[in-house]
Amino acid sequence: DVKVTQSSRYLVKRTGEKVFLECVQDMDHENMFWYRQDPGLGLRLIYFSYDVKMKEKGDIPEGYSVSREKKERFSLILESASTNQTSMYLCATSGPSYNEQFFGPGTRLTVL
Amino acid sequence: SQQGEEDPQALSIQEGENATMNCSYKTSINNLQWYRQNSGRGLVHLILIRSNEREKHSGRLRVTLDTSKKSSSLLITASRAADTASYFCAPKHNDYKLSFGAGTTVTVRA
Repeated sequence: DVKVTQSSRYLVKRTGEKVFLECVQDMDHENMFWYRQDPGLGLRLIYFSYDVKMKEKGDIPEGYSVSREKKERFSLILESASTNQTSMYLCATSGPSYNEQFFGPGTRLTVL
Repeated sequence: SQQGEEDPQALSIQEGENATMNCSYKTSINNLQWYRQNSGRGLVHLILIRSNEREKHSGRLRVTLDTSKKSSSLLITASRAADTASYFCAPKHNDYKLSFGAGTTVTVRA
């Protein structure tokens, strides 16, 4: 069974704080994704990584950065959290065909 | 936008009834996938249909694809309480991205 875990289920941070969201997978997948999900907007891709140290911007990368130092781990960083980054953050992985994506349980982040 | 768009936004049915939801997209696809999300958790892949396929079945799920109309439908037959969830279509174009829509929320009443 594919396992994708995310470091926190719920997180509350203050405006201006640096926030780290971590995702770990045990499937040896090359591809990892970070999305945010907001009501009425669906899932929007923030960043994508296709290998260690390799990344591509998604549709909404502004205000975010990522780090992939090991194949199994993909981190999303909010350099200076703002209230408009309050959202559900979902990590996903996929194999080389980029077909089925496997999702983590999500982190609900609230920025006060 | 390349997002899939689901219709209706919400659906309420009685247990045992069928549920049908539709998805439209704007540009040509490689395949189209459907996902389910329970209670604000992660998404789970349900079924994938390729652009050269017209219909696919998996258990109580039936998916159709009409590339000429750029649309797909998901039918859940004999619904159960456990089918209560949000359902998302995700067209896959000729790159790595899946373009998720806002989803259809299905409520199955006992």
